[in-house]
Amino acid sequence: GENVEQHPSTLSVQEGDSAVIKCTYSDSASNYFPWYKQELGKRPQLIIDIRSNVGEKKDQRIAVTLNKTAKHFSLHITETQPEDSAVYFCAASMGQGGSEKLVFGKGTKLTVNP
Amino acid sequence: NAGVMQNPRHLVRRRGQEARLRCSPMKGHSHVYWYRQLPEEGLKFMVYLQKENIIDESGMPKERFSAEFPKEGPSILRIQQVVRGDSAAYFCASSNQGNTEAFFGQGTRLTVV
Repeated sequence: GENVEQHPSTLSVQEGDSAVIKCTYSDSASNYFPWYKQELGKRPQLIIDIRSNVGEKKDQRIAVTLNKTAKHFSLHITETQPEDSAVYFCAASMGQGGSEKLVFGKGTKLTVNP
Repeated sequence: NAGVMQNPRHLVRRRGQEARLRCSPMKGHSHVYWYRQLPEEGLKFMVYLQKENIIDESGMPKERFSAEFPKEGPSILRIQQVVRGDSAAYFCASSNQGNTEAFFGQGTRLTVV
């Protein structure tokens, strides 16, 4: 079925360390993979996304890698800061052309300790 | 561009009442998604609509739940005869295509008492 697995469910790091969150998806036709950050009580907000024709994308301290063969993608946050603490969701587009929807992982609660 | 607007932000209903949640997508967006989020959990897909059409409702319970996105006006998620288990945050997102960035609204927090 349509499924996105996300690991770990919780992650605690020291300020300045790197954090890595991994996701796998089930639909080999998926071609769009966004990552969202959700702070407590707020809406999810897009932080970075990648399409299947690209293997890696970077935006300052955030990078995402995609391995289409293995059907997994990862979020990398370097030089973490306390304000990076939030829940992070990966997602993959699934469905037929023109009717794709985003299927989300269950989230990773990241805590950056000062 | 005001972004995706959801109202109300908070909604309290007694068991058996109806809950009606509204979502106005971003200007120019014709794709709307509804997700449910339980406390400490992820975003569970419910339904995907385009103007006047339900594209995918595979995540929506067969009974008591319905959704629409009329030609004019906001998308509506309707829950009839609410039960305590319906208490959750309901998020709406919109995009201009099915596989592009989706923007989320602030959510409606439904509490059934």
